[in-house]
Amino acid sequence: ETGVTQTPRHLVMGMTNKKSLKCEQHLGHNAMYWYKQSAKKPLELMFVYSLEERVENNSVPSRFSPECPNSSHLFLHLHTLQPEDSALYLCASSQVLGVSGNTIYFGEGSWLTVV
Amino acid sequence: GQNIDQPTEMTATEGAIVQINCTYQTSGFNGLFWYQQHAGEAPTFLSYNVLDGLEEKGRFSSFLSRSKGYSYLLLKELQMKDSASYLCAVVDSNYQLIWGAGTKLIIKP
Repeated sequence: ETGVTQTPRHLVMGMTNKKSLKCEQHLGHNAMYWYKQSAKKPLELMFVYSLEERVENNSVPSRFSPECPNSSHLFLHLHTLQPEDSALYLCASSQVLGVSGNTIYFGEGSWLTVV
Repeated sequence: GQNIDQPTEMTATEGAIVQINCTYQTSGFNGLFWYQQHAGEAPTFLSYNVLDGLEEKGRFSSFLSRSKGYSYLLLKELQMKDSASYLCAVVDSNYQLIWGAGTKLIIKP
């Protein structure tokens, strides 16, 4: 139990579907992240939120849309995805941004398959 | 560009010692993390080094040489449960985390 909970754990969706991934952190952290993890590739940072404000969007296609309603919850809305978007999507949180030793705590991820 | 290199896969024997290397080229340096990730699970924090030298934590130790852009994770008295991927990540000058692709460690009896 890492203190970061993601749902659903597994999701299969068609290219025309709309779905959402949900993340909740119980650590009292102020920063939350979405990462994409593909086999044998480094973690790709997608979005960063600090105190509910988006501070980073790493050239992510608009078919991925994040939402952070409060500092404990983070969503990733998905629509018209492509098969190459199939991956493990990891949510993470940290106490703050922009300091040394800022440990990130990950959720167990949502396995997404686009068919 | 920024780059983190670590071996793709390593194999070791239960009870033995294994060293997983990580070399980096980044714009600035503000620390280096090691994470462990079991298949299908969350990456979990193992260690953080910001100064040169060896940090020991039980069976796991992590070493850093900033001048060489090099770190290693040393695992002693290997157990079957140590089979996992080990991720190296460097904090650059903008406090961004730059990740390696991970090393899959296979432990054999």
